[in-house]
Amino acid sequence: EAGVTQSPTHLIKTRGQQATLRCSPISGHTSVYWYQQALGLGLQFLLWYDEGEERNRGNFPPRFSGRQFPNYSSELNVNALELEDSALYLCASSFRGVSGANVLTFGAGSRLTVL
Amino acid sequence: KQEVTQIPAALSVPEGENLVLNCSFTDSAIYNLQWFRQDPGKGLTSLLLIQSSQREQTSGRLNASLDKSSGRSTLYIAASQPGDSATYLCAVTTDSWGKLQFGAGTQVVVTP
Repeated sequence: EAGVTQSPTHLIKTRGQQATLRCSPISGHTSVYWYQQALGLGLQFLLWYDEGEERNRGNFPPRFSGRQFPNYSSELNVNALELEDSALYLCASSFRGVSGANVLTFGAGSRLTVL
Repeated sequence: KQEVTQIPAALSVPEGENLVLNCSFTDSAIYNLQWFRQDPGKGLTSLLLIQSSQREQTSGRLNASLDKSSGRSTLYIAASQPGDSATYLCAVTTDSWGKLQFGAGTQVVVTP
């Protein structure tokens, strides 16, 4: 079974540009989550998509956005890039566990560098 | 607001020693707690998942305990190996839809 796949592995952009990151969930998973891991800041929750809808977002400005497609894959868009957006962006997917709490499986991440 | 703390931030041990990693959380109303491993620049690998009703989970050389009432979890790695060198993260699930609150991690180095 294929795991959560993310692309690109690395992305280099300059300030003010836009970045698009992509995520394919495990087959059968309907929820996709995005997390940011910036140097020195730990893992921060960004966005949660389920069944094509944005269900929740973390404390990030509106220039961080995304969407989920009918096949449950997702993309994260970051507009007007700033230097502090440089980070590892991790995608995770889940199905609802028997306990009622979703269990997340993470991808390998996309490293975004803003120059 | 849930806060997750991991102590120590870094740990170096000689090969063969047992590792003890600590995680504490401020709000005991959790669905589950997970321990992850992260290699430099890589994604997260789930090691153990402990449901809120459980006290511990074991997988091979790994054992994790959970004490919800005191807001603590401990990850034990027996007979450490150089390949165990990585950052270990604990995370608690605070909502049924799966939002994870992470600790800052413990960076482990096992020297041959």
